[in-house]
Amino acid sequence: QLQLQESGSGLVKPSQTLSLTCAVSGGSISSGGYSWTWIRQPPGKGLEWTGNIYHSGTTYYNPSLKSRVTISVDRSKNQFSLKLSSVTAADTAVYYCARIRVVDDAFDIWGQGKMVTVSS
Amino acid sequence: SSELTQDPAVSVALGQTVRITCQGDSLRDSYASWYQQKPGQAPVLVISNKDNRPSGIPDRFSGSSSGNAASLTITGAQAEDEADYYCNSRDSNDNHYVFGPGTRVTVL
Repeated sequence: QLQLQESGSGLVKPSQTLSLTCAVSGGSISSGGYSWTWIRQPPGKGLEWTGNIYHSGTTYYNPSLKSRVTISVDRSKNQFSLKLSSVTAADTAVYYCARIRVVDDAFDIWGQGKMVTVSS
Repeated sequence: SSELTQDPAVSVALGQTVRITCQGDSLRDSYASWYQQKPGQAPVLVISNKDNRPSGIPDRFSGSSSGNAASLTITGAQAEDEADYYCNSRDSNDNHYVFGPGTRVTVL
């Protein structure tokens, strides 16, 4: 059974870059038919899609994050990453990584989530 | 990018049926999926492709879709179904995904 595990710094200073990694185990990130995504959830609020990356390397990002977000894949390490630059307190959230099935756009597997706080 | 709307909260008596709706233009030509989230836990896929249940999801969960709306129905709600439920779809115009704001289901 494929599993996802987020890791990275849980505390980031304002104006710095948030960096998180999602390790994929029990399967290959290079398997066709899926894209890989990050979703975030501010405390007490709903889910927000940040972006995703396809097997081809094509990426799509939430326009609300403008040019601050980058998602990339490291196939040699079977993991993918999120970078969010110029963070503010509004970026404080639980960040989830997940897999999306291309055939029906379902977010079928989720990581447990990583709380990231932006504070000086 | 399009938006999805959901009722903020609904309540249902134990053993009764509750229907949660989601509306948005992206639902006209993209699949709706539904996610259950309990406090302190990651979301879990409960319905995909309008009405497909992943392995392990009870058959009291079902989905439907028509036009610009999708629905999740819990038939015979149980105490453990109390949670937040989110719909999701992809905007086929720009390939951006969007989540609805969520519906909190309370089982009385």
